[in-house]
Amino acid sequence: AQSVTQLGSHVSVSEGALVLLRCNYSSSVPPYLFWYVQYPNQGLQLLLKYTTGATLVKGINGFEAEFKKSETSFHLTKPSAHMSDAAEYFCAVINFQGAQKLVFGQGTRLTINP
Amino acid sequence: EAGVAQSPRYKIIEKRQSVAFWCNPISGHATLYWYQQILGQGPKLLIQFQNNGVVDDSQLPKDRFSAERLKGVDSTLKIQPAKLEDSAVYLCASTSLAGLYEQYFGPGTRLTVT
Repeated sequence: AQSVTQLGSHVSVSEGALVLLRCNYSSSVPPYLFWYVQYPNQGLQLLLKYTTGATLVKGINGFEAEFKKSETSFHLTKPSAHMSDAAEYFCAVINFQGAQKLVFGQGTRLTINP
Repeated sequence: EAGVAQSPRYKIIEKRQSVAFWCNPISGHATLYWYQQILGQGPKLLIQFQNNGVVDDSQLPKDRFSAERLKGVDSTLKIQPAKLEDSAVYLCASTSLAGLYEQYFGPGTRLTVT
């Protein structure tokens, strides 16, 4: 069965610094991978997704992620953090066994220091 | 385009009481999901509907939870009787058949069981 592991439940960076949120996946088939963001008291919003094709995918708000099959990773990056990036970030994989459902990691809370 | 609507946004009940949540998906979206998000964890799928049929309810605690999607549009999720461990945010999401697995989430209902 597919699963994801997010390394670090809390990440803190300074405004303007690089943001790196780590996600590793486990899948017996080629995975479909997603990053979602959740702002306080809101639902989840899709940042970006990888299905097939180019392994570097660009999303909204300046975020991007690179699918690395050899490392079973799908890390999320942003070159320069902004205060508005403070939120909870979830990596997810589609489970194609049975119903096609999203399986989420436990989340990483990103804090931006002024 | 209107997003996924959920109500109520917040609910506080005592254990052993019953509660119901309502979700109206994006117009035309055939697939509807209910997730449970416990504090500090990623969302966990409870039930998935395709139109008004259940696709996956393998993680729904059927002794106390029930859900329906009459007429293949809006949906209700009920808990009866509630337990303390049911305290969580209940998220509804929807996707179109051609949506390439991109799920759109509502703002959620935060349930507190005392």
